[in-house]
Amino acid sequence: DAGVTQSPTHLIKTRGQQVTLRCSPKSGHDTVSWYQQALGQGPQFIFQYYEEEERQRGNFPDRFSGHQFPNYSSELNVNALLLGDSALYLCASSLAWGQLAYEQYFGPGTRLTVT
Amino acid sequence: DAKTTQPTSMDCAEGRAANLPCNHSTISGNEYVYWYRQIHSQGPQYIIHGLKNNETNEMASLIITEDRKSSTLILPHATLRDTAVYYCIVRVHPGDDKIIFGKGTRLHILP
Repeated sequence: DAGVTQSPTHLIKTRGQQVTLRCSPKSGHDTVSWYQQALGQGPQFIFQYYEEEERQRGNFPDRFSGHQFPNYSSELNVNALLLGDSALYLCASSLAWGQLAYEQYFGPGTRLTVT
Repeated sequence: DAKTTQPTSMDCAEGRAANLPCNHSTISGNEYVYWYRQIHSQGPQYIIHGLKNNETNEMASLIITEDRKSSTLILPHATLRDTAVYYCIVRVHPGDDKIIFGKGTRLHILP
């Protein structure tokens, strides 16, 4: 049973560029959450997608956007990259229980470096 | 902001029990205590959660005080592979979809 997978593993971008990160949820899961983890800090919640819609959002600017596809996979897009966007981006998947998400399983993350 | 307080780091000898404390003095009646850990260069891994009773699974035990203002995660026989950052989280289950992480406790298992 494949767990949560993310691509790419590492990425280097220049300030002002745009980036797309991808996530495939654990088999049977239908909800995807994204987190940003700066060096030495705990992960910070960005947003969550369920039924192809953004259900919850953390305190992140509109430069951060996402999408969920009919097969439940998801993308995180960041526009106009800043140096401060350098971080490990984690995807977590879960199974919705009614309208509520159940336990979250994390992928290995994508390390984004902005120069 | 995280609703928990944990020591920044701890050491434990291999083979001994590792006891990781967590304070959550403002916990609400409908909030659960969750523990995750993050091994270097990996995503966080769920360990255990509980409401008010002590819980045990194949990975760890969770002891919650009667007033629910603090808890202890116990790894009964720590191994070098248990070296990780351990996060104690308070969360409404299953309603609070987002997980609010603090800085956690960096646990070093010493050979």
